[in-house]
Order: sequence, then structure tokens, then C-alpha cells
Amino acid sequence: GENVEQHPSTLSVQEGDSAVIKCTYSDSASNYFPWYKQELGKRPQLIIDIRSNVGEKKDQRIAVTLNKTAKHFSLHITETQPEDSAVYFCLRGYGNKLVFGAGTILRVKS
Amino acid sequence: NAGVTQTPKFQVLKTGQSMTLQCAQDMNHEYMSWYRQDPGMGLRLIHYSVGAGITDQGEVPNGYNVSRSTTEDFPLRLLSAAPSQTSVYFCASTRAKDTEAFFGQGTRLTVV
Repeated sequence: GENVEQHPSTLSVQEGDSAVIKCTYSDSASNYFPWYKQELGKRPQLIIDIRSNVGEKKDQRIAVTLNKTAKHFSLHITETQPEDSAVYFCLRGYGNKLVFGAGTILRVKS
Repeated sequence: NAGVTQTPKFQVLKTGQSMTLQCAQDMNHEYMSWYRQDPGMGLRLIHYSVGAGITDQGEVPNGYNVSRSTTEDFPLRLLSAAPSQTSVYFCASTRAKDTEAFFGQGTRLTVV
């Protein structure tokens, strides 16, 4: 079926620490693994994505890793800053449907 | 390019009223979707379309209709509004499968 499990649902970290959010998915033909960030009152926006021909992708302080065998992919944020506080969503494609994970509320305490 | 434009930004309806949420994109994207986001929750797929004349149901389609007469527009119709439809609605478009999704600014709907 079309299942995307995202954990944790909330995450509080101290400024400067790292944060990791994980998505586990059921079988899907999609080779595309994106992460979206939604700030309070704003629309979701893509922050990083990866395709299945690579295992990891980095963009400054954020990275995405992929484990196709275990069917999960993770978002890593290093040296967290207050502006990283937001809701983060993973997304999977099932046929023509785009199904979001339930979201992770990240709070960065300064 | 304006991207994805949703109107209105805010709307209050009485129970039983009908209305249409508008969504338009100027990027010539084939794929368009409607989501609802309840407080503290994720985005749930209502309906989606893979091109003009083609629509299909998502996870929570009951109480909503859609049509796609042109590539640019994908309106969402609430047939008879209910308080359970109070939510923030987002329209999104993608150029093709497995590409970045672009979202409209959202419509905050309250049904009283």
C-alpha cells in the first residue's frame, strides 16, 4: 500500500546540535526522495532531494541519506540554528499520487 | 512567472454553502494536486490530476469535486460545506513525475 511513516513527530534540539528525521516507506516505483520545509504560516518548500542512484547528498548544513534495502531515507541538519525551526515533511510518489509523511516539528532552542 | 496562485487566501462559509477554491499555475506543469492541512497535522491528498481532462481521487476525496479543463487551472469545489472541512488548503503542481512540487500560498477556510 501507500504508506509513509515519518519519525519523530516532534524534535527539540539545542542550537548547534544536529537533528535527524527519518522516513520509512512501503514499496514504490519512484526513485525520487525529497524533503520539504514549512515555516509557520507559509507554504511547504523543497529543501533537498535525492535520486536512488546515489546514497547521500549534501547541501551546506543539510543532507539526505537513502537506504533502499531497508526502505528508509533521512534528513540530517547539522549546526542547527533558530531559523531551522519549522515542520519538515518527506514525500513519496505512488504512481501519480504524491503522499506526504505526517511531518516533524523541529524546535531549535537558543 | 507567478508560479502557483490560489484564491481566496481566507474564506468563511456557513454550513451547507458551496464554494470553489481557485488554483492556477503558469509553469505549464502537467501534474496538479489539492491537499488539506489540519492544525498540527500533515498534508492529506484530496484529488489530483495528471493532465487536462484527467482527475483522480486521493486519500480524503469525500465532499470535494475537481475538474481540469485546461493545463493551467485546477479548481476545487466544496459541494455542501461542513465544519469538518475547516482547514488550510494547498494546491501544488509538478512538471512531471518525480520532480519538485511547487505550492500555492494556501487558502484558510473556516466553516461555521
